[in-house]
Amino acid sequence: EPEVTQTPSHQVTQMGQEVILRCVPISNHLYFYWYRQILGQKVEFLVSFYNNEISEKSEIFDDQFSVERPDGSNFTLKIRSTKLEDSAMYFCASRSGRGYNEQFFGPGTRLTVL
Amino acid sequence: GQQLNQSPQSMFIQEGEDVSMNCTSSSIFNTWLWYKQDPGEGPVLLIALYKAGELTSNGRLTAQFGITRKDSFLNISASIPSDVGIYFCAGTFNQFYFGTGTSLTVIP
Repeated sequence: EPEVTQTPSHQVTQMGQEVILRCVPISNHLYFYWYRQILGQKVEFLVSFYNNEISEKSEIFDDQFSVERPDGSNFTLKIRSTKLEDSAMYFCASRSGRGYNEQFFGPGTRLTVL
Repeated sequence: GQQLNQSPQSMFIQEGEDVSMNCTSSSIFNTWLWYKQDPGEGPVLLIALYKAGELTSNGRLTAQFGITRKDSFLNISASIPSDVGIYFCAGTFNQFYFGTGTSLTVIP
């Protein structure tokens, strides 16, 4: 069964460093998303992406964040200068968009900022 | 932003018991979804609801889309140990909003 994959599973970085989190959405899906989940809290929406551009973003998704679909399969989230409070699980999700609203989530990347 | 209130926050039940949890919103949604999340993993979709009043089952799980479009409930019948996890509701109206989660513990 097709699934969303994410790499790496765990990323440790120093404060101020740039990180890139990678996702491979389900192949025929058209809508892509990034979410964040701080330990013990609910899943929070960051950004949605469709037709090679951002369609919506939350207040969390400030200038330090960017997304890209560099080729036909990958979808990346870049954090330019990480802060301690960026430590969280980051989930990628995708949706087919063909009349269905179900989003399918990847296993997540745990980001630890030291 | 939209507020999704999910209750109860946590449940401790005996194996074999039925479980009920619900989600309410201050605004209407056009889709309700229920996810289960195991520790350290991504949410897994359980049930999707598209119409007000819709009642949908998936094995021992049953969920309903409230008539007002502002609420939904999830029932789990005859709970088993592997039902343990955190259950999130999610509502969509352009954007996706997640509930605060219900942590379920099943005691064998």
